Amino acid sequence: AQKITQTQPGMFVQEKEAVTLDCTYDTSDQSYGLFWYKQPSSGEMIFLIYQGSYDEQNATEGRYSLNFQKARKSANLVISASQLGDSAMYFCAMREVGGTSYGKLTFGQGTILTVHP
Amino acid sequence: DAGVTQSPTHLIKTRGQQVTLRCSPKSGHDTVSWYQQALGQGPQFIFQYYEEEERQRGNFPDRFSGHQFPNYSSELNVNALLLGDSALYLCASSLAGFNNSPLHFGNGTRLTVT
Repeated sequence: AQKITQTQPGMFVQEKEAVTLDCTYDTSDQSYGLFWYKQPSSGEMIFLIYQGSYDEQNATEGRYSLNFQKARKSANLVISASQLGDSAMYFCAMREVGGTSYGKLTFGQGTILTVHP
Repeated sequence: DAGVTQSPTHLIKTRGQQVTLRCSPKSGHDTVSWYQQALGQGPQFIFQYYEEEERQRGNFPDRFSGHQFPNYSSELNVNALLLGDSALYLCASSLAGFNNSPLHFGNGTRLTVT
């Protein structure tokens, strides 16, 4: 069974600074995908970034980058130049890829990020 | 290009009642998944529908059932509501066979059971 662990219930960062949100995962699958989503208080889940298990380079999307360490089974999200609008709940999620999987997402518990001015 | 739409946005029901939630997937998507998110928790997978059939199911009782229509829209039904069913219910859509692409989520339906 897949499992995602986010050990930081809450994180604080000053505006314009960088912050790292931790995510570790456990799976016996060789092929999988890792996703980060942002959930503002409105409830919508907003996709941020994706990393495939066979991708050799770390994913980047604008101010978001993913520090992927496969041997350690970690996929930490790095947000550079934090903005007040980044304050939200952040979820790490894993998805099986291939085989008989139909691609359900397994989510972690989430990390609440608060950006201070 | 319309994203995933869910209705209603909020709902209050009494214990023992039945509820139906609705979801229209993003244009071009053919697969709909439902997730339950309790307050302060990560979403939990309920089930997924493709070609009008339930294709995969999470650890939820039979009180939770669903349906997918020929236009790919979907319903989630919950019978004999319990207080513990109070949660945000998220619908997500995707295109079958593209498991490396993200799920697109709606804004959710917040269900309160009293």
